[in-house]
Amino acid sequence: EDKVVQSPLSLVVHEGDTVTLNCSYEVTNFRSLLWYKQEKKAPTFLFMLTSSGIEKKSGRLSSILDKKELFSILNITATQTGDSAVYLCAVIETSGSRLTFGEGTQLTVNP
Amino acid sequence: NAGVTQTPKFRILKIGQSMTLQCTQDMNHNYMYWYRQDPGMGLKLIYYSVGAGITDKGEVPNGYNVSRSTTEDFPLRLELAAPSQTSVYFCASGTLLNYGYTFGSGTRLTVV
Repeated sequence: EDKVVQSPLSLVVHEGDTVTLNCSYEVTNFRSLLWYKQEKKAPTFLFMLTSSGIEKKSGRLSSILDKKELFSILNITATQTGDSAVYLCAVIETSGSRLTFGEGTQLTVNP
Repeated sequence: NAGVTQTPKFRILKIGQSMTLQCTQDMNHNYMYWYRQDPGMGLKLIYYSVGAGITDKGEVPNGYNVSRSTTEDFPLRLELAAPSQTSVYFCASGTLLNYGYTFGSGTRLTVV
């Protein structure tokens, strides 16, 4: 059974801090790993990572995948209160037909 | 572009009642999914479909049924509602080439 584990489960920081969110996985036929941000409603897509060692970057957010260690991190620099959300990690297996999600990391950024 | 549309947004059911959660997408995506999300938890896959006429069970299919008669529609049926089915339900769609899957806005279901 595919498994995705995120850590920490919750994190409280102050504005301006840098945070690192972790995602490890066990997937039989790994294809890609995705990061989502979920505020009040539906998850919104952040990144899809398929190759090891290639950093994806969008503004203050960046992510990288290590396929040897079965691990990904999501970094957020200079955090803002608007970054407060649940960050979800998910993996897709090679057929591309199924997304398996981790439990999520609840990030709270205080002013 | 409507994307993925879910109805209703909210519903309260009594134990033993039945209902259908509707999901429609207008992006011609082959893959469609139903997830449930309990408070403070990640998303659990209920059922998914890789194309019209094809459905398969996910992690937590018990108590639910689906059908996929068209590419656009993927309704989720609860036959005998139970309190354990109180959750937020998300429908999503995608393709092999899609950069991330598109989610609907969710249906908050309470069974009392």
